[in-house]
Amino acid sequence: DVKVTQSSRYLVKRTGEKVFLECVQDMDHENMFWYRQDPGLGLRLIYFSYDVKMKEKGDIPEGYSVSREKKERFSLILESASTNQTSMYLCASSPVRQPQHFGDGTRLSIL
Amino acid sequence: QKEVEQNSGPLSVPEGAIASLNCTYSDRGSQSFFWYRQYSGKSPELIMSIYSNGDKEDGRFTAQLNKASQYVSLLIRDSQPSDSATYLCAVNPNQAGTALIFGKGTTLSVSS
Repeated sequence: DVKVTQSSRYLVKRTGEKVFLECVQDMDHENMFWYRQDPGLGLRLIYFSYDVKMKEKGDIPEGYSVSREKKERFSLILESASTNQTSMYLCASSPVRQPQHFGDGTRLSIL
Repeated sequence: QKEVEQNSGPLSVPEGAIASLNCTYSDRGSQSFFWYRQYSGKSPELIMSIYSNGDKEDGRFTAQLNKASQYVSLLIRDSQPSDSATYLCAVNPNQAGTALIFGKGTTLSVSS
């Protein structure tokens, strides 16, 4: 079974903090993704990566950056957290042109 | 802008009925299509994949694809209360190095 592991299920941070969300997959997938999900807005793609050290902006990259130094790990960074970044964050991975498998999600609250 | 459209619902059906969920997409070149189920507070889970025109059945679930009309549907037979969830339609654009495009989902409620 595919396993996508997100480092935290719940996280509370303060405005202005630098926040790191970690994601690890164990299936040697080429592609990895970060989404946020908010009520009524659906899944929105923040960034994705199709190879180590490669990244592509998604629909809402502003205020975020990513890092992929190893194939199995994809990190999402909130450079200076703001209250409008309170959300559910979902990481996913997939082989090339195959469907994505999601982690359990991180519910992030910015106070 | 490539789009995937779904009726947000809620779609309410009685237990034992057939639930029909629909999805349309804008990118005519799309080649693969997926349905995810998401329970409240949980992450999306892949339940069906379909790649060619016609029907694909898996247990109580049937995915239907019509590329000429650019729509995908999911039928759930003998609906159970445990099927109550949000169902997300996802489309793989015919373009290398791109991510799936997700619809916003249809919420299904099955009453006992």
